[in-house]
Amino acid sequence: QKEVEQDPGPLSVPEGAIVSLNCTYSNSAFQYFMWYRQYSRKGPELLMYTYSSGNKEDGRFTAQVDKSSKYISLFIRDSQPSDSATYLCAMREPQKLVFGQGTRLTINP
Amino acid sequence: EPEVTQTPSHQVTQMGQEVILRCVPISNHLYFYWYRQILGQKVEFLVSFYNNEISEKSEIFDDQFSVERPDGSNFTLKIRSTKLEDSAMYFCASSGDRSSYNEQFFGPGTRLTVL
Repeated sequence: QKEVEQDPGPLSVPEGAIVSLNCTYSNSAFQYFMWYRQYSRKGPELLMYTYSSGNKEDGRFTAQVDKSSKYISLFIRDSQPSDSATYLCAMREPQKLVFGQGTRLTINP
Repeated sequence: EPEVTQTPSHQVTQMGQEVILRCVPISNHLYFYWYRQILGQKVEFLVSFYNNEISEKSEIFDDQFSVERPDGSNFTLKIRSTKLEDSAMYFCASSGDRSSYNEQFFGPGTRLTVL
């Protein structure tokens, strides 16, 4: 089983829709969970991170972690064309981040 | 806003040649990292560096790779004898003190092409 699994998509939704992006993981020792956004041929940009289980909200973005199910989600409300990018989940081991494959998201005007 | 910078943006080299990829981390950061992303694949950890020494490295980071912080601002990744399979985007990242350890900020990357 892969350490972090993420559906690569592509995912295409109309502008204004609520987007749900998800990752599952196998290592129960992960405590910190991150979401990065990556535009084509650019570096990953940190959106937000959460510790352990629970929710965290930042503007139109909400991150959820369910450690019992080893499942994390990122919700984007009122999606905009500028949100079109690849979204990467990542989990922290002591010295490094372990990334998912990334989900390619397109928001259509 | 402070950011991680990397040079060059694109490096083309012949197999067997040495390359040095350069990074300037965010100025007050203490932890430094290199990751790579082969086209269409996951971002993979290579090495972390703290207090002038390697704190962790992956299986990918073999004897062909080395890192250095030659002065107070630069952080370099050297590949001694490049192979075709080293072709990838290489990302430098940095994070601050232990309270902001989770916030790794990435540079724009160097695209390495080995011919």
